[in-house]
Amino acid sequence: EAGVAQSPRYKIIEKRQSVAFWCNPISGHATLYWYQQILGQGPKLLIQFQNNGVVDDSQLPKDRFSAERLKGVDSTLKIQPAKLEDSAVYLCASSEQGGGNQPQHFGDGTRLSIL
Amino acid sequence: AQSVTQPDIHITVSEGASLELRCNYSYGATPYLFWYVQSPGQGLQLLLKYFSGDTLVQGIKGFEAEFKRSQSSFNLRKPSVHWSDAAEYFCAVGNTGNQFYFGTGTSLTVIP
Repeated sequence: EAGVAQSPRYKIIEKRQSVAFWCNPISGHATLYWYQQILGQGPKLLIQFQNNGVVDDSQLPKDRFSAERLKGVDSTLKIQPAKLEDSAVYLCASSEQGGGNQPQHFGDGTRLSIL
Repeated sequence: AQSVTQPDIHITVSEGASLELRCNYSYGATPYLFWYVQSPGQGLQLLLKYFSGDTLVQGIKGFEAEFKRSQSSFNLRKPSVHWSDAAEYFCAVGNTGNQFYFGTGTSLTVIP
């Protein structure tokens, strides 16, 4: 089966600019996650979708970050305006269903550098 | 609050030597436990998981992990490390409340 697809792989922008990342989960997976992974740290959950509804966005900086999964399939994560501390790898993951017992399948991530 | 601790930031082993990566968790009930591996520039790949039953679980690439409730630990082991095992390893804990937490990771270097 095809894995989780993410694009772009790399993005370099200046602070205060905007950027968007795209994710296409594994076909049939109802749950989609966006994580932020700062260098030297583990992934931190930003937002979790179940189909096209938000399950958890408690750690999403909503003043600058937004995400959508309009048709319950692919998803877009946006940052506007970007800050220096947003430099990180943004990982998308999917699982068949939500729940703490569901293995998550990860894409290769988008590495974002803020100048 | 739930948490995951990986005490070792970085470990270096010789190729062919045995490996043990430590993971401790804090959670009131029996957690769902996972180990993931991340190679440079790639996403995380699931090595193994534990939900219930036999406390020694086998995973891919020759890895195994043992759940010890008394020690709140889920350590990852491999009897003989290969150079291709050099990567970042993450322990993760899920709960019945639909939440999922990753540790800070352990970086493994393998010396030829």
